[in-house]
Amino acid sequence: GQNIDQPTEMTATEGAIVQINCTYQTSGFNGLFWYQQHAGEAPTFLSYNVLDGLEEKGRFSSFLSRSKGYSYLLLKELQMKDSASYLCAVMDSNYQLIWGAGTKLIIKP
Amino acid sequence: IAGITQAPTSQILAAGRRMTLRCTQDMRHNAMYWYRQDLGLGLRLIHYSNTAGTTGKGEVPDGYSVSRANTDDFPLTLASAVPSQTSVYFCASSVSVGTDTQYFGPGTRLTVL
Repeated sequence: GQNIDQPTEMTATEGAIVQINCTYQTSGFNGLFWYQQHAGEAPTFLSYNVLDGLEEKGRFSSFLSRSKGYSYLLLKELQMKDSASYLCAVMDSNYQLIWGAGTKLIIKP
Repeated sequence: IAGITQAPTSQILAAGRRMTLRCTQDMRHNAMYWYRQDLGLGLRLIHYSNTAGTTGKGEVPDGYSVSRANTDDFPLTLASAVPSQTSVYFCASSVSVGTDTQYFGPGTRLTVL
């Protein structure tokens, strides 16, 4: 079966750095997406990786290792507004997104 | 309007009733999707449409139907609602099927009693 694993919850301090991991086992791979979802709101796109390596976008970076079935989202200089759930999703061989359950990130002052 | 809109925002429904959730996008995206989101689970695809006039089944299609008469609208119908269909429903769209980014509507919170 297809499976996306990510931690259920993480806590970090304002101004610090946090890394959210995602491991996956899917039938085929056509890229990995990270989305942010604030409580009660819609998911919003953060990043897309299809090749191995690090993609940097401001305070957020995303890393992919296809051979290890592994990705992480790195958030730097954490702000209170970064408190949200972070969703990892893999596009499978049928071009359908398989979603992890999400990681709830709690930022403390 | 800009982006994707969904209606209603929330609804409480008696079991056995018929319900249609509406979704409209103004981005001229070809592909549209319906997901449900339940606590502790990832988003699950219900139905999708690659282009107007075509639809397909996702991971959890039973009890749901869709239509795609034009590019902008993609309604989701529950023919006879059951309590297990209590969930938050998100509509999404992308330029085309494949690796294009999916953009999400604000969601509909549905409770079936």
